[in-house]
Amino acid sequence: DSGVTQTPKHLITATGQRVTLRCSPRSGDLSVYWYQQSLDQGLQFLIHYYNGEERAKGNILERFSAQQFPDLHSELNLSSLELGDSALYFCASSVGDNEVGTEAFFGQGTRLTVV
Amino acid sequence: AQKVTQAQTEISVVEKEDVTLDCVYETRDTTYYLFWYKQPPSGELVFLIRRNSFDEQNEISGRYSWNFQKSTSSFNFTITASQVVDSAVYFCALRPLRAINSGNTPLVFGKGTRLSVIA
Repeated sequence: DSGVTQTPKHLITATGQRVTLRCSPRSGDLSVYWYQQSLDQGLQFLIHYYNGEERAKGNILERFSAQQFPDLHSELNLSSLELGDSALYFCASSVGDNEVGTEAFFGQGTRLTVV
Repeated sequence: AQKVTQAQTEISVVEKEDVTLDCVYETRDTTYYLFWYKQPPSGELVFLIRRNSFDEQNEISGRYSWNFQKSTSSFNFTITASQVVDSAVYFCALRPLRAINSGNTPLVFGKGTRLSVIA
């Protein structure tokens, strides 16, 4: 158990809908990262938050947004969903923002299926 | 640009065989970290090892060993006496270490190698 909690584990929704994925980092971790794992693109970085502030953005669509709350949990909002958004979405956390060699601990992922 | 290549898409071995998973990376950064993760059928990503670019000493942990060769930009992973429980997708990843105050950089993953260990 990595200590990172993601809910829900599975989500099935229709095209055009909006969903929210939730992530609780490990106790004491201030950084949260979101990754998307799809069959064709592999594991890709979406966005990074540190202590409530956005720190880095990767290949995140404009239809997607995220935030990190004062209690450090994070939510990834996906809107106007398309079939191609079906993927496994991972959250990872680490202690700091730029400490040396930190490995990110990953949650179990949320499997999103858009039908 | 950062890139990680895992040329082996799928490998199948018989239990107790040794198997090596290849990882080749590209980066212009002089300081970076390399990682291996395991993704079993249940789907979670399990951290296995982290190496920094200044430490080329090979590492062994039980049946697992890692060979880091900076000269060939490779960080290969060997499982000795494989077991059925080793069946998973294995990912190699790279994180360059940027200057302080530049913010942490995300992991760049390879496409993964699916290992099947047959009893």
